[in-house]
Amino acid sequence: GAGVSQSPSNKVTEKGKDVELRCDPISGHTALYWYRQRLGQGLEFLIYFQGNSAPDKSGLPSDRFSAERTGESVSTLTIQRTQQEDSAVYLCASSYDRVGPMNTEAFFGQGTRLTVV
Amino acid sequence: DQQVKQNSPSLSVQEGRISILNCDYTNSMFDYFLWYKKYPAEGPTFLISISSIKDKNEDGRFTVFLNKSAKHLSLHIVPSQPGDSAVYFCAASAQGGTSYGKLTFGQGTILTVHP
Repeated sequence: GAGVSQSPSNKVTEKGKDVELRCDPISGHTALYWYRQRLGQGLEFLIYFQGNSAPDKSGLPSDRFSAERTGESVSTLTIQRTQQEDSAVYLCASSYDRVGPMNTEAFFGQGTRLTVV
Repeated sequence: DQQVKQNSPSLSVQEGRISILNCDYTNSMFDYFLWYKKYPAEGPTFLISISSIKDKNEDGRFTVFLNKSAKHLSLHIVPSQPGDSAVYFCAASAQGGTSYGKLTFGQGTILTVHP
């Protein structure tokens, strides 16, 4: 497909279980971002991958959260021992290069709605 | 530490009038700014951007103004249409530093345009 693809679109999990969320960026995009949006809240930065640079993990809320990206392809966000406060929409975005005047925007996927019960 | 702030959670305007959405930032390294629009159950979509070398950028009904000294930007929509009803997010990035190109978002403003 031409856009950013995220799977699954919806995930319901029991508290304490691990979940993996997947993001397929647009082909050729070197930058990839994960954000989450809790109900009624803004876009909370989680992690940023840019090419071969070390990822910016400064937004990960706890050590239960981790993300990987192999090269310039798929990324997986893993949440271990899920808690109810992890319930949110997890959004992935990619951009051709670093976002700036020469590369105007990042493109978002539809998100994965995670519900922890 | 909220580096990008949208202090108005919601805004309601009449169709045909101007909508003005505001955004403030604290990080002086930010030099590129974007507005995104988000409908329910969809990912955000890019609307318009501005570089810090400019103070205004216009695209059809949408104009973004940047006041660097005040660390403030605004999005003007004229005339507003019911289809503009959505959540609007302001975002910023820095073209240097350890997180060059990372996008930092505000909390969003819910715009409702009444027919």
